[in-house]
Amino acid sequence: EAGVAQSPRYKIIEKRQSVAFWCNPISGHATLYWYQQILGQGPKLLIQFQNNGVVDDSQLPKDRFSAERLKGVDSTLKIQPAKLEDSAVYLCASSLFGSTGELFFGEGSRLTVL
Amino acid sequence: AQKITQTQPGMFVQEKEAVTLDCTYDTSDPSYGLFWYKQPSSGEMIFLIYQGSYDQQNATEGRYSLNFQKARKSANLVISASQLGDSAMYFCAMSPISSGSARQLTFGSGTQLTVLP
Repeated sequence: EAGVAQSPRYKIIEKRQSVAFWCNPISGHATLYWYQQILGQGPKLLIQFQNNGVVDDSQLPKDRFSAERLKGVDSTLKIQPAKLEDSAVYLCASSLFGSTGELFFGEGSRLTVL
Repeated sequence: AQKITQTQPGMFVQEKEAVTLDCTYDTSDPSYGLFWYKQPSSGEMIFLIYQGSYDQQNATEGRYSLNFQKARKSANLVISASQLGDSAMYFCAMSPISSGSARQLTFGSGTQLTVLP
């Protein structure tokens, strides 16, 4: 079974530029999450999708971050314009709807903002 | 709201010995789940073990066991017979359990475990 796919693995941009990250969850997983992990900290939830609808985006900085999950499968997370404090690893995860099991994570996309 | 506290930023253990990683939590949810994840230097989060708040027995998965003490709100991870490959960052996490909803994990700050040869 293929895992959660993310790209790009690494991205370096200058502040005020834009960047987009892509995630393909495990087939059949209705729930998709984006987490932000700043160096030395635990992951923090940015947004949670159920199929193509948003369940929780309360911690998403909506003035600069946006995310979509068209057709309830792939998802894109965008940052525009980027700030220095956005330097982090962006982790995508997926799970079965209503599951009592774990979240499955991708390898993450490491963003460096200069 | 949930809160996870991991008070050990770093731990060292000798190969083949057991080690306990501490985790305390706070929540007002009547039902919840507790998780441990391992994050090697490659960055991927690897699920290790799960404990439900109403589970009567402590969870075990191979060399991993979860020492769940509900009254103390602690969910410590015990790794027996440590191996060099266990060197990684370990995160404790929790999620409320409600009917029909998917998980939403809150993570602690992690413990960096180093296994010495």
